[in-house]
Amino acid sequence: EAAVTQSPRNKVAVTGGKVTLSCNQTNNHNNMYWYRQDTGHGLRLIHYSYGAGSTEKGDIPDGYKASRPSQENFSLILELATPSQTSVYFCASGDRLDSYEQYFGPGTRLTVL
Amino acid sequence: GDSVTQTEGLVTLTKGLPVMLNCTYQTTYSPFLFWYVQHLNEAPKLLLKSSTDNKRTEHQGFYATLHKSSSSFHLQKSSVQLSDSALYFCALSDITEGADRLTFGKGTQLIIQP
Repeated sequence: EAAVTQSPRNKVAVTGGKVTLSCNQTNNHNNMYWYRQDTGHGLRLIHYSYGAGSTEKGDIPDGYKASRPSQENFSLILELATPSQTSVYFCASGDRLDSYEQYFGPGTRLTVL
Repeated sequence: GDSVTQTEGLVTLTKGLPVMLNCTYQTTYSPFLFWYVQHLNEAPKLLLKSSTDNKRTEHQGFYATLHKSSSSFHLQKSSVQLSDSALYFCALSDITEGADRLTFGKGTQLIIQP
């Protein structure tokens, strides 16, 4: 079974602090994604990656950076966290060879105070 | 750019009744449509997908037909159960563009009452 894990599952951060959200996948998928989910907005794409060393901007990249050091790992970095970044963050992996389906991790609930 | 519209934000139904959740999309390329379901405090999971025009696809009692002529991919079920209470997302990908990104609708919250 495809597996995407995220850490931490819950995080409380202070305004102006640095936050790193980590994602690991064992699907051997080329593509990985970071979304945030807010009531009334659905799932919005922040950054994505086509493979190790690549990162692409999604629809709402401002205030976020991403890093893909390996096929399995994809991180989302908030250099200067703000209260507007309080949200639930989902990581996903996918590949056209897997019928384009995206597999989601369990999510990280981030609160910025 | 691509867009997906789900007209109902909240649908409340009594168990045993039929349901249809609307999904329309806009794209200039060849579409691949998905329905994802997200139960409370869980991750979204794939429910259905299709890229074939006018062909019904089914899973777990839910079904949908992609109609390219009307740019629609409505989700239906003939008799809803309490366990169907969840958030449902319609999503679009472009095969021509490599299908590497999904565009999600804002979601429809389905609540089933006894």
